[in-house]
Amino acid sequence: AQSVTQPDIHITVSEGASLELRCNYSYGATPYLFWYVQSPGQGLQLLLKYFSGDTLVQGIKGFEAEFKRSQSSFNLRKPSVHWSDAAEYFCAVGPARDYGGATNKLIFGTGTLLAVQP
Amino acid sequence: ETGVTQSPTHLIKTRGQQVTLRCSSQSGHNTVSWYQQALGQGPQFIFQYYREEENGRGNFPPRFSGLQFPNYSSELNVNALELDDSALYLCASSQGQGYTEAFFGQGTRLTVV
Repeated sequence: AQSVTQPDIHITVSEGASLELRCNYSYGATPYLFWYVQSPGQGLQLLLKYFSGDTLVQGIKGFEAEFKRSQSSFNLRKPSVHWSDAAEYFCAVGPARDYGGATNKLIFGTGTLLAVQP
Repeated sequence: ETGVTQSPTHLIKTRGQQVTLRCSSQSGHNTVSWYQQALGQGPQFIFQYYREEENGRGNFPPRFSGLQFPNYSSELNVNALELDDSALYLCASSQGQGYTEAFFGQGTRLTVV
């Protein structure tokens, strides 16, 4: 079965500290991988995506993620966290293959809530 | 801002009622997907519409139905509302059948009492 695991439900970091959010997936092939950010009461904003090629992916807002096939992981990193980064972060894989003919559908993890201390 | 707009932003319904949520896709996009995000959870795929046809469905009962119109806007209808239907409903639009980036709207917060 296809699934995404985000082991950390809640993380608190100090402003200026580095950040790593973990994501592991089960897919059965090489998936497309995504990280989204969601501010309270808002929709999802795409931070970065991996389709193929270079396994280190750069995204918006200074985020990057590394695809490690051997570990089935796609961890999100940022070298220096800003207070505005406080939000919920979702890892997702696609396209899900269990839902008939639909393409472009994602399986999301349960999210990691990031708090930033001054 | 993604160009995907959803309405209404919030609504409250009573158990057993019916609700319709609306989504205007980004210009040039012909595919709309709907997701349900319960509190503290990640979004769950409900179904997808491509050129006015449903072309995939997640593990949701038939009382969740949808439509896509010729201008590619979409509706999500939920009949016989249950308390567990309380969630944020997200619409995502994209272009074509092959995988391309999906752009999400701000969501509709549905509360069933």
